[in-house]
Amino acid sequence: AQSVTQLDSQVPVFEEAPVELRCNYSSSVSVYLFWYVQYPNQGLQLLLKYLSGSTLVKGINGFEAEFNKSQTSFHLRKPSVHISDTAEYFCAVSGSAGGTSYGKLTFGQGTILTVHP
Amino acid sequence: GAGVSQSPRYKVTKRGQDVTLRCDPISSHATLYWYQQALGQGPEFLTYFNYEAQPDKSGLPSDRFSAERPEGSISTLTIQRTEQRDSAMYRCASSLRESDTQYFGPGTRLTVL
Repeated sequence: AQSVTQLDSQVPVFEEAPVELRCNYSSSVSVYLFWYVQYPNQGLQLLLKYLSGSTLVKGINGFEAEFNKSQTSFHLRKPSVHISDTAEYFCAVSGSAGGTSYGKLTFGQGTILTVHP
Repeated sequence: GAGVSQSPRYKVTKRGQDVTLRCDPISSHATLYWYQQALGQGPEFLTYFNYEAQPDKSGLPSDRFSAERPEGSISTLTIQRTEQRDSAMYRCASSLRESDTQYFGPGTRLTVL
């Protein structure tokens, strides 16, 4: 079984400030890791994913995340946020074996990022 | 289609009624997922299809929930004898294959009165 914990339910930040959204996971198998963003009245959109290789993953809109296996974490970061980054962010995992991802995603509870002018 | 579409976008029903939600995946995608998202929570897996096969329905909360994808494209999720606890956002996603990135639709917001 897998689980995902997003440590902050809400993160307020001022425009142009850096931000980190925290995600920890637990799993008995190797995992693939994802961050999705949900803008109001829209579907979930993939920001970035970690499958293998370099532990630092770069995604869309200037976001990046670092996979830390020893700490079972996959924190999302952006060095300078914009008003348009205001949204809900979800961390998710899927189990992998032999290089094949089992597609079922397990999501965290979500973090609402609010960027203030 | 160009993206995943779901209908209706909003559904209000009375307790005890049956509802059917529809998902139209990206046309080339073999795999289709259904998730349930309660208010303030992340999406939770319900079931998925590879074409018309349904390998895993372990997430369906009760036998009142069923899903089908008879021709390997459009899928429906049916909830019989709805209860207030069924109120949630129901999300559909599709992927080229099971191991690929999932693309989500806008969701159907179900409210059971």
